Amino acid sequence: GESVGLHLPTLSVQEGDNSIINCAYSNSASDYFIWYKQESGKGPQFIIDIRSNMDKRQGQRVTVLLNKTVKHLSLQIAATQPGDSAVYFCAENSGGSNYKLTFGKGTLLTVNP
Amino acid sequence: DAGITQSPRHKVTETGTPVTLRCHQTENHRYMYWYRQDPGHGLRLIHYSYGVKDTDKGEVSDGYSVSRSKTEDFLLTLESATSSQTSVYFCAISEGGGNTEAFFGQGTRLTVV
Repeated sequence: GESVGLHLPTLSVQEGDNSIINCAYSNSASDYFIWYKQESGKGPQFIIDIRSNMDKRQGQRVTVLLNKTVKHLSLQIAATQPGDSAVYFCAENSGGSNYKLTFGKGTLLTVNP
Repeated sequence: DAGITQSPRHKVTETGTPVTLRCHQTENHRYMYWYRQDPGHGLRLIHYSYGVKDTDKGEVSDGYSVSRSKTEDFLLTLESATSSQTSVYFCAISEGGGNTEAFFGQGTRLTVV
C-alpha cells in the first residue's frame, strides 16, 4: 500500500547516534508547537510540545528547540533506536489559532541497526 | 489511542456513492477534527468542530460535510465520492483546540473506485 513516507525529506542514522529533525514554520504569530511521530499504518502520536515563551524543552530522550527569530523548530532524539524509525511531523497553531493545528509535511527517519 | 475510535477502518466504495465515516471519543474533549493524509501532502484539515453543532471548514473542505450532534461523535460525509477522495482519513480530538495537543485515531483507509 501507499506509504506516508513517499516524497518526504529523509534522515538516515545509525543506531545509537543522535538524530536532529528540523522544521520551518510559517506564521510568526504561532505560539504553540508540537512534534508528532507516525509509524507505518498508525495515527500520529504526540511526542513533545513547546510554547513560544520557551526556547527549549526536554522529555525522555527527546529535546525540542524553538528559534522564533528564524521560525525554526527542531527535534533532537538521543541515542536513536530502531523503534524510533517513523515519520515525524511538526505542528503549529498557525497564527495563534485557538482552534486548530497546522501540520508540516514530515520527515522520514530511518534507523539502521 | 486516547479513547478515539474510527469506523470503518477500511472501506472500498464506488464513484458517486455517499460515504460516512464515524469518529467516536470517550474523552469528552471539546474539539474534534477530520484530516486526510496523502503522500506528499502530509495532514490536511478537512473540517473541525469546537462544540456540539459548531463546525467550521478546514483547508480542503470541498466535497465533504460534517455533523456533530453529540460531544462524543463527529461524522464526516462524502456526499458523492470521487477518486480524488481516495485517502487515509484521521480523526483527532483536543481539549484545548490550538493550545493543547491533539490525539489521533488509527485512521480509515478509503478507496474510491
